[in-house]
Amino acid sequence: QSVLTQPPSVSAAPGQKVTISCSGSSSNIGSDYVSWYQQLPGTAPKLLIYDNNKRPSGIPDRISGSKSGTSATLGITGLQTGDEANYYCGTWDSTLSAGVFGGGTKLTVL
Amino acid sequence: QVQLVQSGSELMQSGASVKVSCKASGYTFINYAMSWVRQAPGQGLEWMGRINTNTGNPTYAQGFTGRFVFSLDTSVSTTYLQISSLKAEDTAVYYCAIPSRFCISTNCFHFWGQGTLVTVSS
Repeated sequence: QSVLTQPPSVSAAPGQKVTISCSGSSSNIGSDYVSWYQQLPGTAPKLLIYDNNKRPSGIPDRISGSKSGTSATLGITGLQTGDEANYYCGTWDSTLSAGVFGGGTKLTVL
Repeated sequence: QVQLVQSGSELMQSGASVKVSCKASGYTFINYAMSWVRQAPGQGLEWMGRINTNTGNPTYAQGFTGRFVFSLDTSVSTTYLQISSLKAEDTAVYYCAIPSRFCISTNCFHFWGQGTLVTVSS
């Protein structure tokens, strides 16, 4: 059971938009910054969003992040088949004094 | 460019010990704490803890105390994860990861090692 809650799966057609939610509490999302990671099969996770809504160099602007209260959202527009992957949110939990991740969301581009 | 290069896959017997390495390059090693993340087969990411590369002080997450030890050798910019008394449930890919100067949060993992698969057979 992960500290952060994500939907197990989402799907959308190529070219469409999808959002992935990440729900937490006041001790984690509510009090620290959120990051988002993309993991393609057999590869290491890749940072997509950090500090709630910032993109590292090389991440296209069709990828976005937002945070409100104890929830965060990852948005991807203009979906491509190459976006099919598992996506994870992560932050710090002050009660646990530990880093925490969501359980992951599998994105399928139909 | 920043690189984290981990040691190769390991096939271990139950009860044995294993030591995974993570060699850093392309940045000042002591500037960022090194975290370790576990991913069991078909499962999600699990933060195991981190080591302060300036002081050598480790921090372990719940569930990763006792059999798990983080260490480092600053002379070769390398951190280590040692797991003792291996169990079948330790079978997983283990990643090292660091933040970057762009992150405000220290729990932002900008750079990752390629992962090391540890397989424990009984």
